[in-house]
Amino acid sequence: DTAVSQTPKYLVTQMGNDKSIKCEQNLGHDTMYWYKQDSKKFLKIMFSYNNKELIINETVPNRFSPKSPDKAHLNLHINSLELGDSAVYFCASSLTMMGSNEQFFGPGTRLTVL
Amino acid sequence: AQSVTQLDSQVPVFEEAPVELRCNYSSSVSVYLFWYVQYPNQGLQLLLKYLSGSTLVKGINGFEAEFNKSQTSFHLRKPSVHISDTAEYFCAVSPETGFQKLVFGTGTRLLVSP
Repeated sequence: DTAVSQTPKYLVTQMGNDKSIKCEQNLGHDTMYWYKQDSKKFLKIMFSYNNKELIINETVPNRFSPKSPDKAHLNLHINSLELGDSAVYFCASSLTMMGSNEQFFGPGTRLTVL
Repeated sequence: AQSVTQLDSQVPVFEEAPVELRCNYSSSVSVYLFWYVQYPNQGLQLLLKYLSGSTLVKGINGFEAEFNKSQTSFHLRKPSVHISDTAEYFCAVSPETGFQKLVFGTGTRLLVSP
């Protein structure tokens, strides 16, 4: 059973389009995250949700809108895609939002904007 | 704010040789320290973490790390590497107080050859 799953695994789209990435965790965790990993492998947090409430929003353009319908799901919608949005996006979860917790990562979604 | 520096972007090593991956951090508050590993085309998984107590921390797959507060370092070591250890290794910190917000280093690619 996959702990943290993301769909799709690959996403190729044109500039200006709108796309969504879905994330689900079956670990019963309270907290979920979205990260962006650029072409140089640098990993940066974008958003964090705890029990469906936004707790971290890191200077991300408002074209990116996360949505958490329940605490097991955290989806990422991106409007008006730009070339610079090309990256691998990782979803993660942790038991609680405490700093000591381990985060469990999904397999990633490779987004390519043409 | 926190920052993490991984000085070596790539470390080539022969199988069965020892290896050390270096990590230094900067923070105005106390932090927890983590090492994560990313195998090719996969998400990250936790190798080990330092929360408190003994400064030598043992993790999975024979890895260990030593926390040095005076040098603000958290270097990762393995006495004998295997081909299967070829991966990207990320050092990360999170503040002890408040909610978890992982700040990652730029990663070190460990390349193990026969």
